[in-house]
This record gives sequence, structure tokens and C-alpha cells, in this order.
Amino acid sequence: AQSVTQLGSHVSVSEGALVLLRCNYSSSVPPYLFWYVQYPNQGLQLLLKYTTGATLVKGINGFEAEFKKSETSFHLTKPSAHMSDAAEYFCAVRYTGTASKLTFGTGTRLQVTL
Amino acid sequence: DTAVSQTPKYLVTQMGNDKSIKCEQNLGHDTMYWYKQDSKKFLKIMFSYNNKELIINETVPNRFSPKSPDKAHLNLHINSLELGDSAVYFCASSPRQDATNEKLFFGSGTQLSVL
Repeated sequence: AQSVTQLGSHVSVSEGALVLLRCNYSSSVPPYLFWYVQYPNQGLQLLLKYTTGATLVKGINGFEAEFKKSETSFHLTKPSAHMSDAAEYFCAVRYTGTASKLTFGTGTRLQVTL
Repeated sequence: DTAVSQTPKYLVTQMGNDKSIKCEQNLGHDTMYWYKQDSKKFLKIMFSYNNKELIINETVPNRFSPKSPDKAHLNLHINSLELGDSAVYFCASSPRQDATNEKLFFGSGTQLSVL
């Protein structure tokens, strides 16, 4: 069964520090991979996605993620955290085929401190 | 101009009641979804409709019944509400059912509290 694991339900960084949010998927077939962000009391917004092609994907707000097939990982990074980055981040996976569904990880809450 | 809109935003009700949540998208998408987010922020798909046809029906109690009068609307009716139904329910849409590399557009959620 397709699944995605996010290590760390809560990550705290200082403003200006590197952000690293971890995501691993379990599949023998490379999936489509997504990172979504949820700000308080809002719905989810797409940050970035990996489908095919370049394994380093750049998204909005300075975030990027690298698809590493050998590690079955799709970690999200940002060189310098900003207070406005504080939110819940979800990794998600989806496969081709009918009735394909987007399966989310359990989420990582990012806290940014001064 | 909201792409995916849900009403109501908050819903507080007593156990045993029946309630509905409405969802509309103005993006011209073929596929719509209902997701449930529990108190630990875990998101789980409940249903998916493509052009008014049910595509995905996860293990959800029969008390939950989605209805899609047209492809722009997907409503969720819940009978005999239970305490465990308290959660945030998100509606979402995507261009096509087979567009697996396309993003989902989410509504802002309906926070359901069952007392």
C-alpha cells in the first residue's frame, strides 16, 4: 500500500536558520510527490511537486525539495526561515491509475522563533 | 472569487442530529473530494467524485453520504452525528480524475463540533 512518512511532528528553528522537513515514501514504483502547507485556519496550498524530470524541485516562498529514489525520500528545505513560514507542512504521494488518491503524511508543524 | 468554497465554516451541533456541508468550485474541474482532518491534523480522504460519479469511497460509515448535483458541487450529508465526527472537513477539487500529477485546490475547511 502506498504510504508516506514524515519524521518529526514538530520542528522548531530560529529565524534565518535552515529549514529541513523530512518525508519518505514506501513504494517500488516512483510516485508523484507533493508538499502542501496549511496556515492556521486555512485550507492546504501546494508548495511544490515532483512528477518527472529534474529531481530538484523549486516551489513557492523559497522552498525546494529533492527527489532521491535511492533513499525513497523527498525532503523539504529552505535556506533561511522566516517567521511567516510557521505552519503545518504535509508531504503527499499519488500514483497513476484510475481512482488514484492523494495520500498525506501525518504533517510536521514548523515553529520559527526569533 | 474563491476557487473552492465551503459552507458553513463552523458547525456546532448536538449528538444525533443530521447536518450538511456544502462545497462549490468555480474552476471548471471535473473531480471533487472530501477529506477529514482529525484533531492531530491527520488528513484522510473520504470520497472522490468525477463528473458527478463516485470514484473513491473509503471506509466511511454509512451515516456519511456525499451528493454531487453537478460537477461544480459536492455536498456532504451526515446523519446521526457522533462525538467522533468532530473534525475539520475539507473539500477539494482537481482538473481531472486521472490528472495524478496535478495539484488539488482546497477549500478553507468546515470545523464540525459535535457536543
